[in-house]
Amino acid sequence: YELTQPPSVSVSPGQTARITCSGDAVTSQYVYWYHQKPGQAPLLAIYRDSERPSGIPERYSASNSGTAATLTISGAQADDEGDYYCVSAGSSVLFGGGTKLTVL
Amino acid sequence: QVQLQESGPGLVQPSGTLSLTCTVSGGSISSDYWSWIRQSAGKAPEWVGRIYGGGGTNYNPSLKGRVTMSVDTSKKQFSLKVTSVTAADSAVYFCAREDRVRLFDFWGQGTLVTVSA
Repeated sequence: YELTQPPSVSVSPGQTARITCSGDAVTSQYVYWYHQKPGQAPLLAIYRDSERPSGIPERYSASNSGTAATLTISGAQADDEGDYYCVSAGSSVLFGGGTKLTVL
Repeated sequence: QVQLQESGPGLVQPSGTLSLTCTVSGGSISSDYWSWIRQSAGKAPEWVGRIYGGGGTNYNPSLKGRVTMSVDTSKKQFSLKVTSVTAADSAVYFCAREDRVRLFDFWGQGTLVTVSA
């Protein structure tokens, strides 16, 4: 099993960034999204396909169509830069390859 | 608020055993799942395995039987051992709480382990 993400996404400040995640696990398991900045542990951004934890800005949203999951950041800001990983979890846990988001 | 702190040697000899401990504060180690996740430089994180506070375990099949996890509830600690290590096992190792709804919601800061002679 693999989770496939685009290696990089680049947007200007205020634009919408979309990061996709595809793979067999997306069709049958919940997808989670993590945001990691250099030198830090990953931070949970989205859980169970589309739920946003407290403290995560409202501009973060996500969906899972059954064939691909998508993380959307509406009105991206400089603080949103970093690496984003999709994750699926069952008896085993699988991380996607990661997407580097650049906002400039 | 749950807090986790990894500890252990930062340098391990090739073919040796990597041993790390994670100390938990602010939560109940007995009633939760706890995972180890590692991340090689410039790569995506890789799930190593999980242990339940009651002692059940699941390991990443890719590590082919080299991994053992244990828990000591009296010390509020859980541990990781990886045997027969090579340079490919060099990584930052994170411990994390694995919540049934939110998955990895609390993480340690991570500890760098280098496999080298």
